[in-house]
Amino acid sequence: DVQLTQSPSFLSASIGDTVTITCRASQDIRNSLAWYQQRPGMAPSLLIVLASILQSDVPSRFSGSGSGTQFTLTIDSLQPQDFATYYCQQLQIYPLSFGGGTKVQIK
Amino acid sequence: QVQLQESGPELVKPSQTLSLTCAVSGTSISSGTYFWNWIRQPAGKGLEWIGRIGRVYSGGGTRYTPSFEGRVTISMDTSKNQVSLTLTSVTAADTATYYCARGDGNYRGFDPWGQGIRVTVSS
Repeated sequence: DVQLTQSPSFLSASIGDTVTITCRASQDIRNSLAWYQQRPGMAPSLLIVLASILQSDVPSRFSGSGSGTQFTLTIDSLQPQDFATYYCQQLQIYPLSFGGGTKVQIK
Repeated sequence: QVQLQESGPELVKPSQTLSLTCAVSGTSISSGTYFWNWIRQPAGKGLEWIGRIGRVYSGGGTRYTPSFEGRVTISMDTSKNQVSLTLTSVTAADTATYYCARGDGNYRGFDPWGQGIRVTVSS
């Protein structure tokens, strides 16, 4: 099974900061990685597919990169609505799996 | 606009069977190359993929996370345009919010998701 390790698990930042979240896969998953944002009490929302492609309604301050086993999600100029939990997901190898999540909190 | 809505009992007794339904609107579940997934999330914890079902002609069939094998069944009812999850012999560890979500079958993630249904396993 593919293990996805996200770091950090928690992140404190201020509005306007740039933050980077890392997702490491235990096996090569090519670029079959998605990122989600989950606000409290809500279902996850798809942000990025195929490691770096933004969904159409996602602000351009979000970006993704990586392939193989190392991936990153970067949020430029954090906005109040960006304080949430972020998950990576691999879709290359069954069983599909999610990272443990990164909670972005207000400093 | 595609929408998914989970429904079912919110309280299930230990050792019994959990049965949930995901009603899909805005598209036919039997069209295209889509897969229909179930995911769960215990309160305050991360996401766990349970399994998926897709149409045979789209390379479908069912796939499950091994830890659920033998207890889980995902099925489709094309006449009702809904997907179902059945989980047998539940324990308190199965207490979670259960989501259904559409996957596109091209490694592009799950979108959209249902709002989720919180299920508690307790006597």
